[in-house]
Amino acid sequence: DSGVTQTPKHLITATGQRVTLRCSPRSGDLSVYWYQQSLDQGLQFLIQYYNGEERAKGNILERFSAQQFPDLHSELNLSSLELGDSALYFCASSVESSVSTDTQYFGPGTRLTVL
Amino acid sequence: GDSVTQMEGPVTLSEEAFLTINCTYTATGYPSLFWYVQYPGEGLQLLLKATKADDKGSNKGFEATYRKETTSFHLEKGSVQVSDSAVYFCALTYYGGSQGNLIFGKGTKLSVKP
Repeated sequence: DSGVTQTPKHLITATGQRVTLRCSPRSGDLSVYWYQQSLDQGLQFLIQYYNGEERAKGNILERFSAQQFPDLHSELNLSSLELGDSALYFCASSVESSVSTDTQYFGPGTRLTVL
Repeated sequence: GDSVTQMEGPVTLSEEAFLTINCTYTATGYPSLFWYVQYPGEGLQLLLKATKADDKGSNKGFEATYRKETTSFHLEKGSVQVSDSAVYFCALTYYGGSQGNLIFGKGTKLSVKP
């Protein structure tokens, strides 16, 4: 158990819909990262937050957005869903991303299926 | 841009066989290198890491050495077990900057038969 929790574990929805994925980081971790794992693209970085502020953006679509709240949990919002958005979405957390002792701990993921 | 290339899988071995999973990287700077493992139905776990050239990371019998001259970070284990069956990901990141996202290879699935 990494200490990172993600809910829900599975999500099935229809095209055009909007969903919210939730992540609670390990106690004391200030950074939260979102990654998408799909069969064709592999594991891709979406976005990073540090202590409530957006720090870095990767290959995140404009239909997707995220935020980190004062209690440090994070939510990833996916809207106007398409079939190609079906994937496993991972959240990871770390204390501080700029030091070499830092390690990202991954949650168990949310499997999104868009029908 | 930066990237990681891993050998294609799946890799199927018998128990107690020697394992090598190749990983090479392309980087604009001096990254830190990682191996993560994903067991069926679970998230990724850090297996080992190396933060500078010639560093050797090791854990649970697995080893990898950061080779700057060949831009490689191959994963090895002398004697695999059935419980090592999983998907292995090589990754890189940069410390010291404002962001620390991981860049992953596509993963190599390992199956170990009794």
